[in-house]
Amino acid sequence: GAVVSQHPSRVICKSGTSVKIECRSLDFQATTMFWYRQFPKKSLMLMATSNEGSKATYEQGVEKDKFLINHASLTLSTLTVTSAHPEDSSFYICSAREGAGDYNEQFFGPGTRLTVL
Amino acid sequence: GQNIDQPTEMTATEGAIVQINCTYQTSGFNGLFWYQQHAGEAPTFLSYNVLDGLEEKGRFSSFLSRSKGYSYLLLKELQMKDSASYLCAVSDSNYQLIWGAGTKLIIKP
Repeated sequence: GAVVSQHPSRVICKSGTSVKIECRSLDFQATTMFWYRQFPKKSLMLMATSNEGSKATYEQGVEKDKFLINHASLTLSTLTVTSAHPEDSSFYICSAREGAGDYNEQFFGPGTRLTVL
Repeated sequence: GQNIDQPTEMTATEGAIVQINCTYQTSGFNGLFWYQQHAGEAPTFLSYNVLDGLEEKGRFSSFLSRSKGYSYLLLKELQMKDSASYLCAVSDSNYQLIWGAGTKLIIKP
């Protein structure tokens, strides 16, 4: 099956710093990538949808200046948490989809555990 | 609004069968997915239904009734490693996944 990687898998940072998380589709071209956030014992919360070469579409309540998303190529999307604070600590998961259609499975990366001190 | 409902938690015995239900109300329908998620890990794909009926894949089966807005995931011959959360997700008219809150399945020996 299709493989999506995420880097780093775990990051601890000080409050006020920025953290960049990379999401790569390793064996397919992802026209669309999704960024999710998940709190403990909660379901996935879609933060934004990004299409290669265009601006990301953010869900209501997600600050686009806080969570910068860049989908520079068909295999790479990055999420930058700017000026991170303890409340940004969470499990961030990306997923990638090859295209829209009848079968539009999303392939998930392994996730990034962010802890802001 | 869009809504996916599934039980919060279920308990079953090793070797038994368990059925996890999911009901949905969404704007449009382009298929329903079931994912398994172990604690601290990303979800992994289990099944996809877009037509009514039962899809069987080994110990796991998934059923869909579009007219009722209903699906279930059936797990047979339960093993301890099946202890996980099971997420139901519906692809809406924009091909965006709408997620249920997940069902935590606890398997007891």
